[in-house]
Amino acid sequence: GIQVEQSPPDLILQEGANSTLRCNFSDSVNNLQWFHQNPWGQLINLFYIPSGTKQNGRLSATTVATERYSLLYISSSQTTDSGVYFCAVAGTASKLTFGTGTRLQVTL
Amino acid sequence: KAGVTQTPRYLIKTRGQQVTLSCSPISGHRSVSWYQQTPGQGLQFLFEYFSETQRNKGNFPGRFSGRQFSNSRSEMNVSTLELGDSALYLCASSLDPAGVKAYNEQFFGPGTRLTVL
Repeated sequence: GIQVEQSPPDLILQEGANSTLRCNFSDSVNNLQWFHQNPWGQLINLFYIPSGTKQNGRLSATTVATERYSLLYISSSQTTDSGVYFCAVAGTASKLTFGTGTRLQVTL
Repeated sequence: KAGVTQTPRYLIKTRGQQVTLSCSPISGHRSVSWYQQTPGQGLQFLFEYFSETQRNKGNFPGRFSGRQFSNSRSEMNVSTLELGDSALYLCASSLDPAGVKAYNEQFFGPGTRLTVL
């Protein structure tokens, strides 16, 4: 099956700093999603981005499908951005394969 | 539009018992998938249902089963519970079957946290 690697595993930032999270995947994909898992466990959809670039407020994402990676950018981070960020991909089937996540902590 | 709902939110069971979890997808979504999240194994795919048929299955023992009803609501059942089944169980729904890229985005419910004692 498809392998997904995320880096870095942990990230500590001061409020206002910018960050880049990376997701590498081992095969071509039809679906790539970025999620933020809140403290109660719910996965919040950030981006559906199998290719190209999207922006939503302070967050943006880029997927380079031919090189099999995706990047999530967080600018001007806030304490509410803290949590775990997951990248998940799917090939021809609908099932998502998740990376192990990046745990982000934003401090004052 | 209401999101994916899951019931119950929390559950405590003892070893050997069985449990049934329920998931109601977003209105109009026909595909429902289930995932298990544990600290050791991360997020893993259990199975997917579409039009009351299991379409994909992950690598879990036969104790884990599911079904989907005609209104797209889904249930999953775990029989003969083991301590290792303690996990957050997440349900996701999507609009369209696999193969149509534009509709593969999955939306997750709040999860059911199962504790097995």
